[in-house]
Amino acid sequence: GDSVTQMEGPVTLSEEAFLTINCTYTATGYPSLFWYVQYPGEGLQLLLKATKADDKGSNKGFEATYRKETTSFHLEKGSVQVSDSAVYFCALENSGGSNYKLTFGKGTLLTVNP
Amino acid sequence: NAGVTQTPKFQVLKTGQSMTLQCAQDMNHNSMYWYRQDPGMGLRLIYYSASEGTTDKGEVPNGYNVSRLNKREFSLRLESAAPSQTSVYFCASSALRGIRANYGYTFGSGTRLTVV
Repeated sequence: GDSVTQMEGPVTLSEEAFLTINCTYTATGYPSLFWYVQYPGEGLQLLLKATKADDKGSNKGFEATYRKETTSFHLEKGSVQVSDSAVYFCALENSGGSNYKLTFGKGTLLTVNP
Repeated sequence: NAGVTQTPKFQVLKTGQSMTLQCAQDMNHNSMYWYRQDPGMGLRLIYYSASEGTTDKGEVPNGYNVSRLNKREFSLRLESAAPSQTSVYFCASSALRGIRANYGYTFGSGTRLTVV
């Protein structure tokens, strides 16, 4: 079945550091890929997405490129802020018969210190 | 625009008690989902409803039942709660039925359930 593997956390960075969170996936067909962010005490929010190979999703300074050859969708940000502290989830969406469902990675906790 | 609203936000149950978690969305979305989130496990799909009148099992359906009451509401019921059901429960919705939800899912803020 479909699966998503994220780098294990927690990740602790200083403000303005470069961020990479690795994500690889296993899926049949042509899934769509997503990054979600969860701030403390809140639900998940869509951060960015890519629907086909070589697409780059971007939002709020975060970027991720859909690499079909390496089955990866790594999240990057050039300069993190304290407000970026959150849990980040990589996810894929694939068909299950006639319905589409999200499969999530286990999440990576990011803490950014001033 | 409230999005996805879940009630209650917190609940403590004794083993064997029953309860229903409520979820409502005001975005006219067709599909709705229930996930549970456990430490180190990510989010796991319990049940989903691709459209009004249909429900299907997800990855971890045992011990749960669902009802898609109408297009807006999708409830999750625990008939006889067990400590293993201690978790944070998230409801989500998406706009498109049977088609890739390229807009992603909209999540509620969660229900933190403890079973003692």
